Amino acid sequence: GDSVTQMEGPVTLSEEAFLTINCTYTATGYPSLFWYVQYPGEGLQLLLKATKADDKGSNKGFEATYRKETTSFHLEKGSVQVSDSAVYFCALDRDDKIIFGKGTRLHILP
Amino acid sequence: DTAVSQTPKYLVTQMGNDKSIKCEQNLGHDTMYWYKQDSKKFLKIMFSYNNKELIINETVPNRFSPKSPDKAHLNLHINSLELGDSAVYFCASSLLTRPGELFFGEGSRLTVL
Repeated sequence: GDSVTQMEGPVTLSEEAFLTINCTYTATGYPSLFWYVQYPGEGLQLLLKATKADDKGSNKGFEATYRKETTSFHLEKGSVQVSDSAVYFCALDRDDKIIFGKGTRLHILP
Repeated sequence: DTAVSQTPKYLVTQMGNDKSIKCEQNLGHDTMYWYKQDSKKFLKIMFSYNNKELIINETVPNRFSPKSPDKAHLNLHINSLELGDSAVYFCASSLLTRPGELFFGEGSRLTVL
């Protein structure tokens, strides 16, 4: 069945470092892809999305590009801040059901 | 104004008890969901409703019974609670035409002793 695989965390970086969180997916057809973020003690929030191949989603300095050839949707940010510390979830949309990856915890050190 | 609100936020109860969690959304969405998040942060969909009709019912014990009195409300009732039911339960909503764009509540942390 369809699935999403994310890199294992936690990922620990210093402030202003470059961030990449890897995400690959397995799906028939071309699902929409999403990144969600969960700050401590809160529910998930949609961070960005891409609906077709080569689309780039972006928000709050984060970007991810829908790569059909590598079935990937890696999350990147050029310069992270302490406030970016959270759990990040990659997800795909299949038949009106959202399938989430297992989440990657990100710690940013000041 | 909170867009998706759940009550209670915390629930501590004994094994064997019955409990309910309520959810309301004021976004005008037509689809609502219950997700379960375990201690490792893994998220699993349990149910979804569209305009009060059940459309997704994953492999969940029948001790869990959702109810949607109208499209702005989705409640979750759990009978005969077990230790393994301890988790954070999230309500979410969306438009059926944009199913990936979920709006989540803050979660209800259930602890079964």
